[in-house]
Amino acid sequence: DIQMTQSPSSLSASVGDRVTITCQASQDITNYLNWYQQKPGKAPKLLIYDASNLETGVPSRFSGSGSGTDFTFTISSLQPEDIATYYCQQYDNLPPWFGGGTKVEIK
Amino acid sequence: VQLLESGGGLVQPGGSLRLSCAASGFTFSTYAMTWVRQAPGKGLEWVSTISGTGGSTYYADSVKGRFTISRDNSKSTLYLQMNSLRADDRAIYYCAKENSPLCSGGSCYYLNWGQGTLVTVSS
Repeated sequence: DIQMTQSPSSLSASVGDRVTITCQASQDITNYLNWYQQKPGKAPKLLIYDASNLETGVPSRFSGSGSGTDFTFTISSLQPEDIATYYCQQYDNLPPWFGGGTKVEIK
Repeated sequence: VQLLESGGGLVQPGGSLRLSCAASGFTFSTYAMTWVRQAPGKGLEWVSTISGTGGSTYYADSVKGRFTISRDNSKSTLYLQMNSLRADDRAIYYCAKENSPLCSGGSCYYLNWGQGTLVTVSS
């Protein structure tokens, strides 16, 4: 199985700050890395697929990059509505494990 | 696209439960479907995936031999039969629509999610 290590597990930032989350795979997953946002009490939502492709309708302040084993998710300017837990997921092969999640809070 | 899960509830250890996910707004048979669960206060865990035709199924080791995923394309409904339930199966169970008919690796992701149904295993 491919293990996903996501960091940090939580962060606190101010509105307007740039926020960065990293995700590391235990082996090369090419660019088959997805990012999901889960707001409290809600179902997850796809934000980015294949490492850097923004899902339709997702604000452009969200972005993703990386390939191989190291990936980055960025919010360029944190907004109050971005308070959520963010998960990476590898889909290079089954099982498509998720990272442990990063809880983003407003300072 | 709408995905509506049902069938969750309280069951005793060793018991069984069948979850359903009623789909609408898309051609159900042309997409693989997946169950993902989330224990209270924990992260997301992939459980099982079924291809669009139903001919291919995949399971996490933690549920293999106990859970069975199936679909009825004539009813646009996904199922998860859960047997021999344990306390650590307690979670919200989400159904999710994938982006292709068959996903076993590659450019695969969950485009849409249901609102989830809670399964509690307790005596």
